[in-house]
Amino acid sequence: KNQVEQSPQSLIILEGKNCTLQCNYTVSPFSNLRWYKQDTGRGPVSLTIMTFSENTKSNGRYTATLDADTKQSSLHITASQLSDSASYICVVASGGSYIPTFGRGTSLIVHP
Amino acid sequence: DVKVTQSSRYLVKRTGEKVFLECVQDMDHENMFWYRQDPGLGLRLIYFSYDVKMKEKGDIPEGYSVSREKKERFSLILESASTNQTSMYLCASRGGGGELFFGEGSRLTVL
Repeated sequence: KNQVEQSPQSLIILEGKNCTLQCNYTVSPFSNLRWYKQDTGRGPVSLTIMTFSENTKSNGRYTATLDADTKQSSLHITASQLSDSASYICVVASGGSYIPTFGRGTSLIVHP
Repeated sequence: DVKVTQSSRYLVKRTGEKVFLECVQDMDHENMFWYRQDPGLGLRLIYFSYDVKMKEKGDIPEGYSVSREKKERFSLILESASTNQTSMYLCASRGGGGELFFGEGSRLTVL
């Protein structure tokens, strides 16, 4: 069964600090991996997409990495801001299915 | 910009009522999804539609049904609402590149 595990479940950091969120997956065959950001009370929005051949991709202060061999991805947030407070969800698409597999998300709180 | 619109942001219903949640997308996407989101459980798939009048059950279809009579509209129906269906409901459509576009969500409370 395809699975996506995220850690930590929740994280509290001070404004200006960096943090890294983790995503481990067992999805086969792998197609791509996306990180979504979900603000409180809103729908998730895609931040980045990682395909098999990509190791690193940046979107402003967000940098995603992918290790297809170990089936791990990380999302690094640099110089955090209060607006980064949100839930971050890792979603993996399989080449063999219409239906993507979701992680349960990491809840990030950035304190001033 | 892709827009996915859910008809109601907040609903309060009584046990046993029939509930309709509507979702409309404006990008001619073939695939549409209904999820529910509960604290600690993440998003769980209720139903999926890969084309007009085509639907598949997701992980938790019990107590729900769906309707897709037109490509742009995907409706979720709770035939007889129960308190354990109190939740946030999220609709999504999928573009050609695989990205999911979500609506703002419908928070349903069943009393």
